[in-house]
Amino acid sequence: RKEVEQDPGPFNVPEGATVAFNCTYSNSASQSFFWYRQDCRKEPKLLMSVYSSGNEDGRFTAQLNRASQYISLLIRDSKLSDSATYLCVVNFNKFYFGSGTKLNVKP
Amino acid sequence: DTEVTQTPKHLVMGMTNKKSLKCEQHMGHRAMYWYKQKAKKPPELMFVYSYEKLSINESVPSRFSPECPNSSLLNLHLHALQPEDSALYLCASSQDGASYNEQFFGPGTRLTVL
Repeated sequence: RKEVEQDPGPFNVPEGATVAFNCTYSNSASQSFFWYRQDCRKEPKLLMSVYSSGNEDGRFTAQLNRASQYISLLIRDSKLSDSATYLCVVNFNKFYFGSGTKLNVKP
Repeated sequence: DTEVTQTPKHLVMGMTNKKSLKCEQHMGHRAMYWYKQKAKKPPELMFVYSYEKLSINESVPSRFSPECPNSSLLNLHLHALQPEDSALYLCASSQDGASYNEQFFGPGTRLTVL
């Protein structure tokens, strides 16, 4: 079983839509959680850390459910510029990456 | 400044060449990382340096040799690579090796081995 699992997508959504990604992790002792965004042929960029109480940054909301061992990312009012691959990252002694979820926002 | 820089941006080398990739950060971070990323795959950890000492080697072949000359610099020396080593090589840094610290990635070196 992979340490971190994500639905690879692609998620094809119209501009303005709300889209949610989930990610599950296998190690209950995992200590910290992040969402990164990666554009084609570019490096991963930190989108947001995920805190136990949930956190929001503009149109982006991240949630952590330790009991069920999953994290989620909600994007509201999708923009064309949100099109990218979203990587779920879980840290237990080192970073474990999910395989990424591809998002395509269409006009 | 959350910038990690890497040089060169692109590198083409033959299987008998020796080359080096360089990474630099000026954020005062004390942990630095090398990752390898193949197309449509997530980054794979290769090495971790913490306080200038190698703390993790993910069973990387010896044709890849990391070096951390000081707290701001990280090198990856390449020798006798194989075509399957062609990939994007990413450097990252974090404040230290603590699990709650975010990692910041450089733009990568796109390596092609002929």
